[in-house]
Formats: sequence, C-alpha cells, structure tokens
Amino acid sequence: ETGVTQSPTHLIKTRGQQVTLRCSSQSGHNTVSWYQQALGQGPQFIFQYYREEENGRGNFPPRFSGLQFPNYSSELNVNALELDDSALYLCASSLEPYRGVNYGYTFGSGTRLTVV
Amino acid sequence: TQLLEQSPQFLSIQEGENLTVYCNSSSVFSSLQWYRQEPGEGPVLLVTVVTGGEVKKLKRLTFQFGDARKDSSLHITAAQPGDTGLYLCAGNSGGSNYKLTFGKGTLLTVNP
Repeated sequence: ETGVTQSPTHLIKTRGQQVTLRCSSQSGHNTVSWYQQALGQGPQFIFQYYREEENGRGNFPPRFSGLQFPNYSSELNVNALELDDSALYLCASSLEPYRGVNYGYTFGSGTRLTVV
Repeated sequence: TQLLEQSPQFLSIQEGENLTVYCNSSSVFSSLQWYRQEPGEGPVLLVTVVTGGEVKKLKRLTFQFGDARKDSSLHITAAQPGDTGLYLCAGNSGGSNYKLTFGKGTLLTVNP
C-alpha cells in the first residue's frame, strides 16, 4: 500500500501571495487532517476533512482553507501569506475511528513553506 | 485549551544507556499516541494507548498510559544511535473530529 504523498516538498513564496499544497492520502483512508509545524514546535491542528466536508478546525484564520476530493486527496490553500506562515505543513490520513478511538495517523513528509 | 507538556526537551545520551521521556497534561484524553520524527520527515506512529494504566512494549520501547489518562511515559532500554529523533506525544480527546494535540517533543540524541 502507498503512504501519504505531499507536493511540493519545498516552496518559497512572497508575503501577500497565495499557495496551494496537495496531499494524496494512504490507500483506503477516508479522513485527511492538516497540521502546521513551526521550527522547534509540535504540529498544530489546522483542520480535518471527512467525506469531502470540513470536520473540525483548529485556531487558524479563515485565510487557511481546504478541500477534499472524491478520491480522498486534499488541498490546503493559504491566502495573503504572512511571514509567520513559514513552517512545515503536514498532511495525515486515517481510517474512521473504531469504537470511538482513532488508532493512528499516517503522516506525509510535509511541505516546507518559506515566506519571504 | 488542552496542553501536553513533554520533558525533557532535549536529551543526549551514550549508546547502551536507558532513558525515560514524560508527557503530562491536566486534561483527560481518550487515547494517546507516540510518534517519532526525523529531520525533514513527517511523524511516524509508534504506539496508541487507550486504557488507563495500559502498558505496551515494542522491542526496547515501553509505553505507559497513566491511570487517569492524563499522562504517559516512554522508556527506552539500551538506546542505540538509530533511536535518535524527535519523540512526540499526541493526545486525542475524541469527539467528532479526533484532532491530535501534540506536545513540543523531546529531541533525543544517542551517541555511539
């Protein structure tokens, strides 16, 4: 089975620009979550998509938006980029929880975004 | 706001030594996961613990979930250079979206 694939691996953007990051989930996984990991920090939850709908959102402004497609792949869009948006963006896919417990996420290698 | 505090933040030891990493919170989690992350890569799941007091062993790694499901520990026996990496604990509070709340991690370096 294939893992989670993210593209691009690295990206440099200018403040104020817009960016789209892409994620292909692991085969059979129907839930995709996005996380932002700043240098020296743990990942922070941005939002989750399940069956093409947003299923929870962290403390991120509306300029962070996303999509999930019928094949469960996903996009993260960030508008009006700010310097503080520079981080590693991680996509994680999973199966539906079993008896109320999610038994683990498969993370991609991430997209390193630098805003200058 | 749920927070997970990990300690120590940095740990540098010699090959063969034992170590324990701690993860503490004032909140109760329905489950807790440990991940290992290497530079330039995403976190890789090591274990999920669900039941208070649960102990799981994975070769030289032993994971424990506190009785109250607010804390956890990771113990590594006879550490090897290949164990080097960032160890992250992540709590899942259940609910409808099952988001993970991560600690800041423990950066472990095992010197040969």
